[in-house]
Formats: sequence, C-alpha cells, structure tokens
Amino acid sequence: DTGVSQDPRHKITKRGQNVTFRCDPISEHNRLYWYRQTLGQGPEFLTYFQNEAQLEKSRLLSDRFSAERPKGSFSTLEIQRTEQGDSAMYLCASSPARGQNIQYFGAGTRLSVL
Amino acid sequence: AQSVTQLGSHVSVSEGALVLLRCNYSSSVPPYLFWYVQYPNQGLQLLLKYTSAATLVKGINGFEAEFKKSETSFHLTKPSAHMSDAAEYFCAVSVPAGGYQKVTFGIGTKLQVIP
Repeated sequence: DTGVSQDPRHKITKRGQNVTFRCDPISEHNRLYWYRQTLGQGPEFLTYFQNEAQLEKSRLLSDRFSAERPKGSFSTLEIQRTEQGDSAMYLCASSPARGQNIQYFGAGTRLSVL
Repeated sequence: AQSVTQLGSHVSVSEGALVLLRCNYSSSVPPYLFWYVQYPNQGLQLLLKYTSAATLVKGINGFEAEFKKSETSFHLTKPSAHMSDAAEYFCAVSVPAGGYQKVTFGIGTKLQVIP
C-alpha cells in the first residue's frame, strides 16, 4: 500500500492554458473522488468514479472541468481555459468497495493561475 | 442535505493544555463522522471516525471525539497538546447519496500550540 499519489504537486500556468492532473489511487480501491480546496476552506467535492464509471459529476464547477478514469485505475482531472479563480489545491481520494467507505487522500496538486 | 459547522477557525493552546475543537453537524439520516488533520502543503490524514458503534472514539496521536446525537456534536479533544499537533483540523460528515458516500467538510480549524 503506497497511498494515493498525485502528480504534479505544484502547477503554475498562465490564464487560458489547459492543465491536467493525475491521481493514482490505492491499488485495491475501486472508488475515486476529486475535491477542490481553496484557501481557508474545507475540501469541496467535485466528482466520483466507481471503477471506470463516473457516477457523479454534477458538482464539477463548469464545463471547463472534466475527469476521466479510462481503465478504472488512475484518473485525470483536466481544466480547460484556466482562470485565476481556478487557483486552488486539487485533492484526490480513494476508498475500497466495501466497508465504511473511509476516504484516503493524496497530497494534492496546488494550481496557481497567473 | 448535510452540513458541518466548526466553531472557531483559529484556536490557540499552550503546550500541555487541553485541546478542544468543536464540530456540529446536520444530517437527515444517521451519518458517519470523521476528523481529518492537514499539515501544510499536504493532503488530509484520517484522525478518527464514528460509524455508529461506540460513541466515544479514539484516534491516532492521542485524540478522541465523542458523538452526541442529542447535541448533534462531534467535538475533538486531546488532554495535552504537543507542538507537533499544530495543523489544520477538518470535521466531516458522510451520508449515502446515490450509491456512494458523499462527504461534506467543515471549513477547518487551525490549531496553534504555544510553547
């Protein structure tokens, strides 16, 4: 068990550019979640995958945000045409299929949009 | 809908003093409750969880929390603060939502430990 891994840890981009973040969940976990955390706030739920199926995406912030998990393992979160308001920490979490659904978090990707 | 209220965005205690971080929740169904800790530039680490078993829950690093249904509270305590406890603490409520557990976090409480 190597924990949830996120890459990159930090991303600086210019407004209008596209960015993509990667999350590798704990290997035996089939559930994967993306959150956004802005300064002074708790994590805010964005989307949820069970295996490769994206079962909840209504909380994605706009149509500029999209997420994939093509083979039910790693996931990517893409933000198109970034805006300064997208600057935040993006957190990924995973949980096992059974049990109490405790979510285990990665270290996050901190995005700065200039 | 569920929600979490953390009273006090910043709490300061002296090293060795009692730590008390307050959390109240709202939920229309019996929830699971969690406390997570976040150190600077890191993700969230689970401290402890309540999942409808014992109401007094013990976690890592000497922390514990008591679920009080009548008060809709889940306050986090530690008898004696250590310098290494300085971090941000998040209370969270988890309820079933269309086939998954939806987790809602509070805004967090930053704990400062004064030597």
